[in-house]
Amino acid sequence: GQQLNQSPQSMFIQEGEDVSMNCTSSSIFNTWLWYKQEPGEGPVLLIALYKAGELTSNGRLTAQFGITRKDSFLNISASIPSDVGIYFCAGPDNYGQNFVFGPGTRLSVLP
Amino acid sequence: DAMVIQNPRYQVTQFGKPVTLSCSQTLNHNVMYWYQQKSSQAPKLLFHYYDKDFNNEADTPDNFQSRRPNTSFCFLDIRSPGLGDAAMYLCATSGNLEEQYFGPGTRLTVT
Repeated sequence: GQQLNQSPQSMFIQEGEDVSMNCTSSSIFNTWLWYKQEPGEGPVLLIALYKAGELTSNGRLTAQFGITRKDSFLNISASIPSDVGIYFCAGPDNYGQNFVFGPGTRLSVLP
Repeated sequence: DAMVIQNPRYQVTQFGKPVTLSCSQTLNHNVMYWYQQKSSQAPKLLFHYYDKDFNNEADTPDNFQSRRPNTSFCFLDIRSPGLGDAAMYLCATSGNLEEQYFGPGTRLTVT
């Protein structure tokens, strides 16, 4: 089946720094989703991307749909302590009604 | 606000004692999903309903059952919980099979 890989697996950054993480696959995805999950809560959809090359922002977050349709990037500018959490990329599988998830990138922000 | 609601947020049950988790949605989405999530791993799909059609993942144990009495509600029944079933259980919905929205989750503890 389709799989998603995320890097880095975890990252520790200083407050105020910019963050970049990515999501890759060996197969094509037609939609890319980025979620943030805080401890004890469900994943919250941050950004959805629908077209190759698309660049979409949500406040300090910017995500891009790779032109090969096999990758996506999420950037966070000027990180703050509340950015802490696990960021998952996901996409609908090409075969039915399910969604594929990456393993997540755990972000820690040091004051 | 349209949303996915899960009750209870925290559930404690005894080993072998049946338990039911509930999910409701005000999004009027036709697809509802149940996921199990352990230790900050990616959510693992248990099953989903497309309208009234039930779709079970091949590796979902028989101990897990689901009911969807109407569009708005979906239930997860664990017939005989074991210690290994302690996890976060996430309900999600999709209206267009391109985006997926999660509830806040139910944390299940088995004693």
